[in-house]
This record gives sequence, structure tokens and C-alpha cells, in this order.
Amino acid sequence: EIVLTQSPATLSLSPGERATLSCRASESVSSYLAWYQQKPGQSPSLLIYDAFKRATGIPARFSGSGSGTDFTLTISSLEPEDFAVYYCQQRSSWPPTFGGGTKVEIK
Amino acid sequence: QMQLQESGPGLVKPSETLSLTCTVSGGSISGNYWSWIRKPPGKGLECIGYIYYTGTTNSNPSLKSRVTISVDTSKNQLSLKLTSVIAADTAVYYCARYLNGRYMDVWGKGTTVTVSS
Repeated sequence: EIVLTQSPATLSLSPGERATLSCRASESVSSYLAWYQQKPGQSPSLLIYDAFKRATGIPARFSGSGSGTDFTLTISSLEPEDFAVYYCQQRSSWPPTFGGGTKVEIK
Repeated sequence: QMQLQESGPGLVKPSETLSLTCTVSGGSISGNYWSWIRKPPGKGLECIGYIYYTGTTNSNPSLKSRVTISVDTSKNQLSLKLTSVIAADTAVYYCARYLNGRYMDVWGKGTTVTVSS
């Protein structure tokens, strides 16, 4: 199965700062990658799919990029509600797999 | 607005069968794919498997021999059975709509299942 490695494990930033999260695949997943946000005590929610497409209702400050094996989720200016754990997920091959997550915490 | 709700026992004994139900409201189970995902404590998310409303299923090879996923369109429910559970099956279990068999766009709140004697 395809292994997704996310870095860093933890990102300590202040509100208003730019967040850059990385997801690397063990083999090419083309553009078949999604990003999810999970806040404490909540279920994950879909942010980005097919590498760069924002899901319904997702603010423009969230953007995704990349293809092949290297992907990035960028939050242009962190809002208080953005501090959460972020997961990437590939759908290129079965089974779909998730990265280990990046926690974005308040500095 | 579609909502999903998982239900089932919170405690299962080792070697027994874990059984969960996911009830879909605010939308139809027909026409969609549905998935089960779990998150063990301190670990990442793992896809258990999916089912299409017609009954077609697929499971993660790591769990395949122990997993049964079914759907009841008359009740707007899907179900998960995981046999011969061990402590490592302790996790929060989520059901989610598996949009076009690609990504999970609507999630239940999750239910915690602990495997312990």
C-alpha cells in the first residue's frame, strides 16, 4: 500500500502567520490526494481534493498544490479556528491511505 | 443536510465480534458509496472498507478476512462487523460517505470501541 509521510509532525505558529504542510507519497499518486482537518473532539472534514480543489464552503485561505509524490497544503493566514490536525489521503490505489497528520498549534 | 450517526457497543471482549451501525439521515443511502474508517489511539486514520448501495464491497487487505460490511437501503443504514477482535482494534470508528469512491466528504461523529476483557 502507498505510504504517506507528513511533515512536520507539529507546526507552532501564531494567528495571521502562513502555514505550510507537506505530504510525501511512497510512490506517485498523480493528483489523487486530499487534505482533511480534524479539530479536537470532532470528526475529520474534507478541505481539499484532487490536490488543489477546495471542497464546498472551504475558505480561499486554504490552498493545495503538488502532484506525483510531493504535495503541500498552505493556509495563507491562520485564523483561530484553523488550529487543528491535518491529514492527507491518497485515492490512487486501494486501499486509500492517510498520512500520520500534522498538528498546527498556537505558538 | 446529510448526517451520519454511528452506534454500537463501546466495549467488546477479545476474540468476539465488533458490530456497528451507521444511520444516514437527511439524504438517501442509495446512489452512494459508504465507508468505514477507524483511528486507534495515538495512531493515524485507517480505511476499513467501503460498500456501494447495491451491496458491492471492498475491504482493506490488512483486515479483509475479518470484515463484513453490509447495507440496508430500507433503513438507510450500513453496518460493520469485525470478527476475532484484539486490543489493537481499539479505536474511534467512523462511517463516512465515500463520494464517488474517491474521498470522504460527510463523516459521522465517530464511536469509541474498546477491546478489553
